[in-house]
Amino acid sequence: DAGVIQSPRHEVTEMGQEVTLRCKPISGHNSLFWYRQTMMRGLELLIYFNNNVPIDDSGMPEDRFSAKMPNASFSTLKIQPSEPRDSAVYFCASSFFGAGGTNTEAFFGQGTRLTVV
Amino acid sequence: RKEVEQDPGPFNVPEGATVAFNCTYSNSASQSFFWYRQDCRKEPKLLMSVYSSGNEDGRFTAQLNRASQYISLLIRDSKLSDSATYLCVVKGNFNKFYFGSGTKLNVKP
Repeated sequence: DAGVIQSPRHEVTEMGQEVTLRCKPISGHNSLFWYRQTMMRGLELLIYFNNNVPIDDSGMPEDRFSAKMPNASFSTLKIQPSEPRDSAVYFCASSFFGAGGTNTEAFFGQGTRLTVV
Repeated sequence: RKEVEQDPGPFNVPEGATVAFNCTYSNSASQSFFWYRQDCRKEPKLLMSVYSSGNEDGRFTAQLNRASQYISLLIRDSKLSDSATYLCVVKGNFNKFYFGSGTKLNVKP
């Protein structure tokens, strides 16, 4: 089975440029998470979608960050304009959340390593 | 206050040692608990779920103390391949997964 697929794996961009990170969750999963990981702050939850609807975006650091999930098989995280302090590894994860208690753990993609210079 | 707190380590232990990691969580209504493992420059992966009665998977034992809001992971007979960062994870309301900052383990020959 294909796991969570993220692209690109690595991105190097100049300050001020727009960056778009992409994620394809595991088929059948209805929850999608975007995390950011740095040495200083660990793994931070940025935004969480359930059934393609953003449920909680309180972790999005500022208005420069936006995320969309137009359908069940695709999500994007956009940073515009990017800044050097945005440099981090961005992970997408998915899980299944069922009302009857049939929940799965979170499965992670391989991450996108973003460097803003 | 963070949702999940862990000792960052590192824990440096010789092969064959027993090592224990702990974490605490803040939301008493949390329902599900996990330990994830993350290797250097890789994504986190599920190591094991943590059940109320405690559970064991080979050399790994996980315990949950709901009254103290405390989760532990015990690794017996440490192997070099156990070297990694171990993340404590708590699932809160609406299926949100909260991760601790991780505890780094170095197993030395």
